[in-house]
Amino acid sequence: KQEVTQIPAALSVPEGENLVLNCSFTDSAIYNLQWFRQDPGKGLTSLLLIQSSQREQTSGRLNASLDKSSGRSTLYIAASQPGDSATYLCAVIPLGAGSYQLTFGKGTKLSVIP
Amino acid sequence: GAVVSQHPSRVICKSGTSVKIECRSLDFQATTMFWYRQFPKQSLMLMATSNEGSKATYEQGVEKDKFLINHASLTLSTLTVTSAHPEDSSFYICSARGWGTGELFFGEGSRLTVL
Repeated sequence: KQEVTQIPAALSVPEGENLVLNCSFTDSAIYNLQWFRQDPGKGLTSLLLIQSSQREQTSGRLNASLDKSSGRSTLYIAASQPGDSATYLCAVIPLGAGSYQLTFGKGTKLSVIP
Repeated sequence: GAVVSQHPSRVICKSGTSVKIECRSLDFQATTMFWYRQFPKQSLMLMATSNEGSKATYEQGVEKDKFLINHASLTLSTLTVTSAHPEDSSFYICSARGWGTGELFFGEGSRLTVL
């Protein structure tokens, strides 16, 4: 059974810092990995999708990497801003999941202090 | 990116009544949608997979007679919480799969409070 772990559970940084969020998964047979952002009381916003054949994806100040062999992904946020404060969730879709069911980590709650 | 809309965003009901939550894919067709439940400070728990034109597939421990799912069209899935009780109070979120990459897009969630 696939398990997804996110470390740290919470992170507080001053505005302007670069930071890294970590995600690890136990089964490397994945179809893709997706990073989401969730604001309190809201749904999930897709940030980046990395296909299993890719090693990284970039969108603005965000960069996500994927190392399937070690079962790890990182989300790098450059020049953090208070508006980046949210919970960041990592999720994987395993190979063979015909309906594309995600397995989520419990998230990292990020607070960016002005 | 693709947009998934959920309605209502908040609903309060009395114990014993039924509540329907709608999930719509606004600019794409979704043959498969997913319904999740999220407890405070917890991650999402998959409840069921909704397949257009066929019966939903429920996860272990989820009562199919309690949580009725209908996916009558390629852009709409509904979740009906029947005979709701206070323990059904939660945040319910739907998602739909985009074509091609398999990227999943989520609705904004529906907060259900059962009095």
